[in-house]
Amino acid sequence: ETGVTQSPTHLIKTRGQQVTLRCSSQSGHNTVSWYQQALGQGPQFIFQYYREEENGRGNFPPRFSGLQFPNYSSELNVNALELDDSALYLCASSDRTSGGAVTDTQYFGPGTRLTVL
Amino acid sequence: AQRVTQPEKLLSVFKGAPVELKCNYSYSGSPELFWYVQYSRQRLQLLLRHISRESIKGFTADLNKGETSFHLKKPFAQEEDSAMYYCALLLGAQKLVFGQGTRLTINP
Repeated sequence: ETGVTQSPTHLIKTRGQQVTLRCSSQSGHNTVSWYQQALGQGPQFIFQYYREEENGRGNFPPRFSGLQFPNYSSELNVNALELDDSALYLCASSDRTSGGAVTDTQYFGPGTRLTVL
Repeated sequence: AQRVTQPEKLLSVFKGAPVELKCNYSYSGSPELFWYVQYSRQRLQLLLRHISRESIKGFTADLNKGETSFHLKKPFAQEEDSAMYYCALLLGAQKLVFGQGTRLTINP
């Protein structure tokens, strides 16, 4: 069984730039959730993707957007980067059944550390 | 508003002593609660979830709806238990709401 992977590991950008972070879900999982973890805080939900569509969103502005691909991998895009976007970005995968129920347990990747200068 | 509170940012106990990490939640529905752990230089991983009612690595957690709590307990702490612990509430089968975390240090 392959775990959740994320790339890149670290990234440094400047204010105003755009960034794309990538996530491959755990084998057999069809749902991907993204979280932002600022230093000293717990992770905060950004959004979730299921069947290539956004399925729930947290309190983040529209400059945070995402994609999910047919193989269930996902991207998080952030436009017009701000200093406060500096954080660890976590991807988590889970399995939603065809009936709509979800096994609920989310398995996390190692994260991408984004620094905005 | 749905919220998870972990009142202790830091907790330090001696090896062999009992451990209790506190978690309180605010949620009007029937909660699904989890404990996640992050060991040094490792990813966030599931420790246990309340509906499983299982014991993992000697840890247990009981849901107390009256006190809206889901405290994590272990009777005898081990040095390898030193880690960051997060309590989380699942909303709408999609969104995990995390507490701020408690850094547990087990002293030899």
